Amino acid sequence: NAGVMQNPRHLVRRRGQEARLRCSPMKGHSHVYWYRQLPEEGLKFMVYLQKENIIDESGMPKERFSAEFPKEGPSILRIQQVVRGDSAAYFCAGGAGYDGANVLTFGAGSRLTVL
Amino acid sequence: AQSVAQPEDQVNVAEGNPLTVKCTYSVSGNPYLFWYVQYPNRGLQFLLKYITGDNLVKGSYGFEAEFNKSQTSFHLKKPSALVSDSALYFCAVRDGATNKLIFGTGTLLAVQP
Repeated sequence: NAGVMQNPRHLVRRRGQEARLRCSPMKGHSHVYWYRQLPEEGLKFMVYLQKENIIDESGMPKERFSAEFPKEGPSILRIQQVVRGDSAAYFCAGGAGYDGANVLTFGAGSRLTVL
Repeated sequence: AQSVAQPEDQVNVAEGNPLTVKCTYSVSGNPYLFWYVQYPNRGLQFLLKYITGDNLVKGSYGFEAEFNKSQTSFHLKKPSALVSDSALYFCAVRDGATNKLIFGTGTLLAVQP
């Protein structure tokens, strides 16, 4: 079991470009959560997805950010027209279901730097 | 709304001494509480959780946490700190309505040799 795979691990973009971050959860995990960690801050929830469904996107900015978790393939967090303030570490976590006692397993993160 | 608070940005302790990393929570209903650890440039690793049952929960790497309902606390403890325990520690509560984890701001643990 390779764990939660995130790629790219590091991504550099210029202002105005698009960033795509991918997350493949562990086998058997059908729920994916995305979090953002800004320097000197904690982890902020962005979005919670199940296969082909967005369950909770209350933490995601309304503009420029989108997420999907298709039936086949990894979950994608997409940031359009990036700005310097988007520079952060983005973590994905996988879970097995709706049971609140389930442990979320985190990936190693994708570090986005916007020049 | 569910929330957790970690009142200390940093905790310093000498190797071999006991350590405590504090966490208090605010929830409606029964809390599901978690501790995670983050090493530099890595993701979060699960340490332990409290769901129900014994108030003292034992986890990975010799860590334990005590659930105290009257004080709404869930402090992380270890009897004897190691230099390798130096990392960023996060307390979290599960939001019962949406199932997401809500994290505290993190506490940096520095263990001096």
